[in-house]
Amino acid sequence: EPEVTQTPSHQVTQMGQEVILRCVPISNHLYFYWYRQILGQKVEFLVSFYNNEISEKSEIFDDQFSVERPDGSNFTLKIRSTKLEDSAMYFCASSGVAGGAGGELFFGEGSRLTVL
Amino acid sequence: DQQVKQNSPSLSVQEGRISILNCDYTNSMFDYFLWYKKYPAEGPTFLISISSIKDKNEDGRFTVFLNKSAKHLSLHIVPSQPGDSAVYFCAAAVGGSQGNLIFGKGTKLSVKP
Repeated sequence: EPEVTQTPSHQVTQMGQEVILRCVPISNHLYFYWYRQILGQKVEFLVSFYNNEISEKSEIFDDQFSVERPDGSNFTLKIRSTKLEDSAMYFCASSGVAGGAGGELFFGEGSRLTVL
Repeated sequence: DQQVKQNSPSLSVQEGRISILNCDYTNSMFDYFLWYKKYPAEGPTFLISISSIKDKNEDGRFTVFLNKSAKHLSLHIVPSQPGDSAVYFCAAAVGGSQGNLIFGKGTKLSVKP
């Protein structure tokens, strides 16, 4: 069964460092997403991406965050200068149709980011 | 700002019995609702969804009921199996949303053999 894969599974970084989280969405999907879950809190939407541009983003997704689809298979989330409060599990997801409009999102297993 | 609320953090049910997970929402603009299941160290897995124009959707052992006037939905699992033990998230989306799902905090279901 096709799945969304994420790397790394766990990354530890120092505050102020740049971090790139990588995702390989399901191959025939066109819509891509990043969510995060801070320990003990809700899963929160960060950004959606379609046709090589951001289609929607949340208030969390400020100028420190960026997304990119550098090639035909990878989808990345970059945090420019990490803060302690960026420590969370980051989930990548993809869908064949627009999520939230009947489109099921397929999530990866997550990348745990720990900022020290 | 809890637009989607799951007021029961945990639920324990005997194998073979019915599990009922509840979810309340406040935003009347939501028009699509989903349930996701999550095992430890895995991402959320889609379970079942319902559009706001319906009041029930069924898929095998899983049924979701929507009461728009009460802004309440529930997930029924019948019969419950030990493999159903997981955290269940309710999520909702506004029409026209581009994948911006609003999640509840989750309910941890334990199904005892």
